[in-house]
Amino acid sequence: QKEVEQDPGPLSVPEGAIVSLNCTYSNSAFQYFMWYRQYSRKGPELLMYTYSSGNKEDGRFTAQVDKSSKYISLFIRDSQPSDSATYLCAMMSGNKLVFGAGTILRVKS
Amino acid sequence: GAGVSQSPSNKVTEKGKDVELRCDPISGHTALYWYRQSLGQGLEFLIYFQGNSAPDKSGLPSDRFSAERTGGSVSTLTIQRTQQEDSAVYLCASSLKAAQGQFFGPGTRLTVL
Repeated sequence: QKEVEQDPGPLSVPEGAIVSLNCTYSNSAFQYFMWYRQYSRKGPELLMYTYSSGNKEDGRFTAQVDKSSKYISLFIRDSQPSDSATYLCAMMSGNKLVFGAGTILRVKS
Repeated sequence: GAGVSQSPSNKVTEKGKDVELRCDPISGHTALYWYRQSLGQGLEFLIYFQGNSAPDKSGLPSDRFSAERTGGSVSTLTIQRTQQEDSAVYLCASSLKAAQGQFFGPGTRLTVL
């Protein structure tokens, strides 16, 4: 079993929809949680960075962490075709990041 | 401001050759990381630098892989006697200090023929 599980998708939604992306993890030692967006043939781009359980909002993006359930989510409101990318969750273990497999998101105009 | 840069962007080499990949982190970032991204394995940690020291090399897959960092800035990842299974995108990231958000470069796409 992988330390971080993430549905690879693809997830296809119409423009304007609310998108929910999720990861589960097994290692209770994970303390920092991040979401990255990666466009094809580009490096991952840091979207959100959280530490504690609860919600963190930044523009159209909301990151949610539930440490008791070992579950994290990223919500994207008013999704746009430009949001089409692979979304990777990542968790910090010591000084390194452990990544999920990434979810491919396609937003159709 | 300038982000993390990597060179070359693409590298094609023959099996058995050595390759060097370079990373220029964001100015002032003391922590530097190398990761590898391949289709079957996803994104995998290779090595972490704090300053010029590498306290965590646990992700290096074999002794053919080595890395160094000089002046607390530029880092070079060297792969000796490349094998076809080394083909992947090699990503470098930096952060202001450890346990903070890591910022990635565009990667070097390595193809071993």
